[in-house]
Amino acid sequence: RKEVEQDPGPFNVPEGATVAFNCTYSNSASQSFFWYRQDCRKEPKLLMSVYSSGNEDGRFTAQLNRASQYISLLIRDSKLSDSATYLCVVNGGNPLNRDDKIIFGKGTRLHILP
Amino acid sequence: DAGVIQSPRHEVTEMGQEVTLRCKPISGHNSLFWYRQTMMRGLELLIYFNNNVPIDDSGMPEDRFSAKMPNASFSTLKIQPSEPRDSAVYFCASSFLQTQYFGPGTRLLVL
Repeated sequence: RKEVEQDPGPFNVPEGATVAFNCTYSNSASQSFFWYRQDCRKEPKLLMSVYSSGNEDGRFTAQLNRASQYISLLIRDSKLSDSATYLCVVNGGNPLNRDDKIIFGKGTRLHILP
Repeated sequence: DAGVIQSPRHEVTEMGQEVTLRCKPISGHNSLFWYRQTMMRGLELLIYFNNNVPIDDSGMPEDRFSAKMPNASFSTLKIQPSEPRDSAVYFCASSFLQTQYFGPGTRLLVL
């Protein structure tokens, strides 16, 4: 099983719709989870951290399911500007190192259609 | 804050030449990461440093690749000799408490 796995997509979604994608991880000791966004020909940028209780930032909701070892990202009322690749990020699970290796998924491509 | 600075932004070179990529992390960040990104393989971690010490270089493809971090404000990734399959975007990122901030990347093309 890959360390971090995502559906590569693309997800083609009409503007205004709700879209969700998941990411699974293999290391049950992982403690930190993030979603990054990468626009075409740009660097990845932090979108949001994922907290155990789930968290929301405007139209974006992130959730963590430790039992099934996956995190999810929900985007409501999607905008054209949401078109990007969304990267799932999980830390290596070393409790002794606060800046442990961080593992990126290969990303899910999202296209919002006008 | 200037963010993570990488140079050069673009590099075109011929097979067999030495290539040196440079990175200046965000001041105060104690970890630095080098990544390579291609369409086929996605974002691959090459090596990371914590407090200037290499912690994990298992992602470095082969002996042609080397990385150094002589001080907290500077790191280099060197490829010698370069090959066409090294063509990719190379990102440097620095982090504090596991939030990574990426530089704009160096687009490398080896002919």
